[in-house]
Amino acid sequence: GAVVSQHPSWVICKSGTSVKIECRSLDFQATTMFWYRQFPKQSLMLMATSNEGSKATYEQGVEKDKFLINHASLTLSTLTVTSAHPEDSSFYICSARLLGTANYGYTFGSGTRLTVV
Amino acid sequence: GDSVTQMEGPVTLSEEAFLTINCTYTATGYPSLFWYVQYPGEGLQLLLKATKADDKGSNKGFEATYRKETTSFHLEKGSVQVSDSAVYFCALGNTNAGKSTFGDGTTLTVKP
Repeated sequence: GAVVSQHPSWVICKSGTSVKIECRSLDFQATTMFWYRQFPKQSLMLMATSNEGSKATYEQGVEKDKFLINHASLTLSTLTVTSAHPEDSSFYICSARLLGTANYGYTFGSGTRLTVV
Repeated sequence: GDSVTQMEGPVTLSEEAFLTINCTYTATGYPSLFWYVQYPGEGLQLLLKATKADDKGSNKGFEATYRKETTSFHLEKGSVQVSDSAVYFCALGNTNAGKSTFGDGTTLTVKP
């Protein structure tokens, strides 16, 4: 149980276009999901906390107008990279936590490799 | 704030060698501690966890003990295999904030 599906696994897009990444909890409900960004050979940087039915909470330094997060249901959160530029190329990972299991770790999606050309 | 300090890598070992990856933390309250593993091109997988002091997490031959007195959660394995080659992340879960704090990751390469 506690599977998180992330789609797409990889995407290449042109500069100036927008890309949407989906994060779904397949067999549980998640009121909160987290979006991370990982640069090559570096750790995960938390970008934002996605809250079902309300606005996302962004970490300091993350542009909320560039990285749009929508959490319209208990099983789906989306991250849209708007007007993408080559510096947005990175590995994006989402995670979710099974309700009521604060001590049981988080389930991560398989990640999305974004390349902006 | 919360922080996790992980042993710098990369670490290169021969098959069947003993592995230790050090992890220490700073946190308020009583956090849970985790080790995650990331294979090339993939997301993170939870390897093991411990939710209170003196708990030992174990999985796939890996072990880590939650040491409150030394604020540590070192990862160990008695005999590594080539298939253990991956990046290992130590993480702290703050139950109040609901988000995780990660160490910088340690790349392990096991040679046959």
